[in-house]
Amino acid sequence: QSALTQPPSASGSPGQSVTISCTGTNSDVGGYNYVSWYQQHPGKAPKLMIYEVRKRPSGVPDRFSGSKSGNTASLTVSGLQAEDEADYYCSSYAGSNNYVFGTGTKVTVL
Amino acid sequence: QVQLVESGGGVVQPGRSLRLSCAASGFTFSSYGMHWVRQAPGKGLEWVAVISYDGSNKYYADFVKGRFTISRDNSKDTLYLQMNSLRAEDTAVYYCAKDSLIFGVVSTRGNDYWGQGTLVTVSS
Repeated sequence: QSALTQPPSASGSPGQSVTISCTGTNSDVGGYNYVSWYQQHPGKAPKLMIYEVRKRPSGVPDRFSGSKSGNTASLTVSGLQAEDEADYYCSSYAGSNNYVFGTGTKVTVL
Repeated sequence: QVQLVESGGGVVQPGRSLRLSCAASGFTFSSYGMHWVRQAPGKGLEWVAVISYDGSNKYYADFVKGRFTISRDNSKDTLYLQMNSLRAEDTAVYYCAKDSLIFGVVSTRGNDYWGQGTLVTVSS
C-alpha cells in the first residue's frame, strides 16, 4: 500500500487560509469517505482534526475544514494562527481493514 | 481523562525481538479497537496494525505481516505489539492509538487519542 501524496510544505500569513491536498487512488481516498486529518507538533503525538472527510471532533476549531473530490481530499485551515504551524497528515481506509497515511505537509505561518 | 502510555522500547540488534505495551486508562478499553502507528526519525506516520475491541480480529500492514503480532488483554486494559525478526528499517517511534468508533468493525472515524510513543532502535 503506497502512501497518499501530500505537498511537502504549505505556508500563509496570519489570518490567511491554506489548503493541503491528499491524493490517493480509487482503492483508498476515492473509494471510501473515511479520510482523517491529523496535526502533529514537533515531538508530540498526532491530534485528530477531521474524520470522515469533513467532520470535526469536539474541541477542534471550525477554522479547520475538510473536503474530497474524486481521489483527492483536502484540508483547509482558515484564519491561520501561529499555533497552526505544524505537520499535517491525511489518512484513509484502504479496504480489507488496511489504512494508509499521507506523506505529510509542513505548514508554516509566515 | 483518557491516557495511553507505551513502554518497552529500546535498542535491539537486527533479527532480535521486542514486545511493546500500551497501558490504557480513562475509558472502557474493551469497547474500542486499538492501533499501532509508527514514525521513523524525521519521517511520516505509518500504520502498522489494528485489533478489534474484543481481540477477535487483527490486521497488519504488509511490511510487518508474519513478523509482528498485535494482541490485547482487556482484563488488564493493555495493548501489546510483539515484534520479531527486527530490521534496521523498523527503527521508529511506535504509538498506540485508540479508535474513535465504539465497537467499530472498520475504523472510520480515525484515532482520537494517542500515547506519547516509545522509541525502538534496531542497530548492531
